[in-house]
Amino acid sequence: GAGVSQSPSNKVTEKGKDVELRCDPISGHTALYWYRQSLGQGLEFLIYFQGNSAPDKSGLPSDRFSAERTGGSVSTLTIQRTQQEDSAVYLCASSPPPSTDTQYFGPGTRLTVL
Amino acid sequence: GENVEQHPSTLSVQEGDSAVIKCTYSDSASNYFPWYKQELGKRPQLIIDIRSNVGEKKDQRIAVTLNKTAKHFSLHITETQPEDSAVYFCARGSGGSNYKLTFGKGTLLTVNP
Repeated sequence: GAGVSQSPSNKVTEKGKDVELRCDPISGHTALYWYRQSLGQGLEFLIYFQGNSAPDKSGLPSDRFSAERTGGSVSTLTIQRTQQEDSAVYLCASSPPPSTDTQYFGPGTRLTVL
Repeated sequence: GENVEQHPSTLSVQEGDSAVIKCTYSDSASNYFPWYKQELGKRPQLIIDIRSNVGEKKDQRIAVTLNKTAKHFSLHITETQPEDSAVYFCARGSGGSNYKLTFGKGTLLTVNP
């Protein structure tokens, strides 16, 4: 079946602009996660959704970062007033119920802030 | 702390040899430990995972061992093939239902034909 999809695959923006990254989880997956992968580094947890609510937002680096999920499906990660240090690959993952640990990843969005 | 230490950072082996990657952690509450394989430019793929109620799990040429007392777990790949070349990440789950994965920094495995 279809895996987790993300769009766009690549995004180049100028410092100070806002960006929106989209994640479509696997159909029926209730848990959704966002991670960030900087060059040569492991993945860094950002936020966890269960349905439309976000019980854990502790990994969001600053208040410029926000995420929402509607209809228990699609999620959007928004970064306001982007900075060069925001450049990274942003990965989304989802889990089938009732699991929240077996996570299947999307291909990521590579964000470059000039 | 919450970090997961992963070693080595790079590993080069000859085709047919075995490869071992080791990770250590400090949070004794962790009970879920997955391993992901990431090929260049691709998504991380879950290849095997282990929970704290077992000490070893095998899937064909891949095995994972867990020592909860010493707080370390290892990935073993036998009879390596060139297509095993990739970056491998270990992780541990936390946050009650293990939803929050904390990853190691990865091991670049190169299998030379």
